Amino acid sequence: QVQLQQSGPGLVKPSQTLSLTCAISGDSVSSNSAAWNWIRQSPSRGLEWLGRTYYRSKWYNDYAVSVKSRITINPDTSKNQFSLQLNSVTPEDTAVYFCARVGYCSSTSCSNWFDPWGQGTLVTVSS
Amino acid sequence: EIVMTQSPATLSMSPGERATLSCRASQSVSSNLAWYQQKPGQAPRVLIYGASTRATGIPARFSGSVSGTEFTLTISSLQSEDFAVYYCQQYNNWPLTFGGGTKVEIK
Repeated sequence: QVQLQQSGPGLVKPSQTLSLTCAISGDSVSSNSAAWNWIRQSPSRGLEWLGRTYYRSKWYNDYAVSVKSRITINPDTSKNQFSLQLNSVTPEDTAVYFCARVGYCSSTSCSNWFDPWGQGTLVTVSS
Repeated sequence: EIVMTQSPATLSMSPGERATLSCRASQSVSSNLAWYQQKPGQAPRVLIYGASTRATGIPARFSGSVSGTEFTLTISSLQSEDFAVYYCQQYNNWPLTFGGGTKVEIK
C-alpha cells in the first residue's frame, strides 16, 4: 500500500521560498510506472495541478504554466522522496498543498489520475 | 485549457436517497475523467477513473457514466459517510484540470 507523508513549514514570508517534502512508502520515486505530483487547493483557485517529476531512464519534470518560472520539483532517491520549491511567494500562493502519485504509466504516457494523496499542508504566506 | 463545470454546487439530500452529480467538459476529454471525494480536513480520495471504473475498495453504490462531454457520478443510496465534496478531473489534455466541486449535504 502506497503512502505519502508530507512535511514542511506552514508559514512563509512574502518573497521567500516555499519548500515542502513528500516521503514515499510502498513505492519508489524512481519507478518507471509512476509520476510524482504537487497539487494545491485554495478557495480562489480551487484544485490546481502544479507539476510533476518522473523517471524514464532519466529524470523529467513538467510544470504548470502559471508557476513555471518559480517552481522546482526534485526527486531524492537516497530518501525515496520528492520536494517542491516555489520561489518569490505572494499571499496568492496561500493554499493547502498536496503531493500525489500517478500510478498507471507506460513507457510513453500516464493515466493522470491521482492516488494516493499526501495528507496536505496548509501554507500561509504572510509577514 | 479545458474547463470542467460541475453542477449543482450544492446537493441537499437525505440518507438513503439517490444522488446524481454532473460534470461537463468544455471540449472532448474522451473517457479520461476521474471523480474524487473530499471530506473536511482530508485529502481528496479517488472514487472513479476512466469515467466509469471504480477504484480499489470503492463501494458499488458509486458509479460513473459519460455521454459526450457530460459526465455523471451516481450514488445509489446515500450513506452517512458519503456527505462530502466531490470533484471531477480531466486527464485527457494538459494542463490537468479539476471542476469546482459539488457539496453533498444532509437535508
